[in-house]
Amino acid sequence: DADVTQTPRNRITKTGKRIMLECSQTKGHDRMYWYRQDPGLGLRLIYYSFDVKDINKGEISDGYSVSRQAQAKFSLSLESAIPNQTALYFCATSPGGFNQPQHFGDGTRLSIL
Amino acid sequence: GQQLNQSPQSMFIQEGEDVSMNCTSSSIFNTWLWYKQDPGEGPVLLIALYKAGELTSNGRLTAQFGITRKDSFLNISASIPSDVGIYFCAGPGSGAGSYQLTFGKGTKLSVIP
Repeated sequence: DADVTQTPRNRITKTGKRIMLECSQTKGHDRMYWYRQDPGLGLRLIYYSFDVKDINKGEISDGYSVSRQAQAKFSLSLESAIPNQTALYFCATSPGGFNQPQHFGDGTRLSIL
Repeated sequence: GQQLNQSPQSMFIQEGEDVSMNCTSSSIFNTWLWYKQDPGEGPVLLIALYKAGELTSNGRLTAQFGITRKDSFLNISASIPSDVGIYFCAGPGSGAGSYQLTFGKGTKLSVIP
């Protein structure tokens, strides 16, 4: 079983719809992250959380919100989806401490028409 | 913010050839991470570097942490078809941004059998 599981793997939806992407992990890591990947732009950080009560904005948080329901669960919401949010979304986790590598899920491909 | 420049952006090589790619930063990094992303999957950590001048191998892969702490290099020896993918460098930098990973835009590797 995957250590970092993202659902759904693919989603097609319409402009204006509310979307939630879910991430769960079995690695026991405290820290969780949401990234967006666009062709030619690499990975950009949307939000990150160091524990259940800690939520921080990343580089591109506008238009997104997150919820850390438990140590193992971190969800990303698009309240009113727009076409330029079409992208590949990745969840990642890392242990606490400085300079710890992050471990990624297999991504959610989101298309907004 | 911090920026990472990866080069080359893409490369086509013959199976069996060696590959070199690099990553440069506008600021000092305390850690360098190299990831590989296969099509349809999330990035997977290949090598982590924690000390200036450090040289670390993982099978046919070798990465080095530059002495200036502003660059890193990844070499792949005797490439094989399964080396195809996108290679990303990443690092947490230093100071206030040290808990966030910055990613390069990736080097896309194609191997011709």
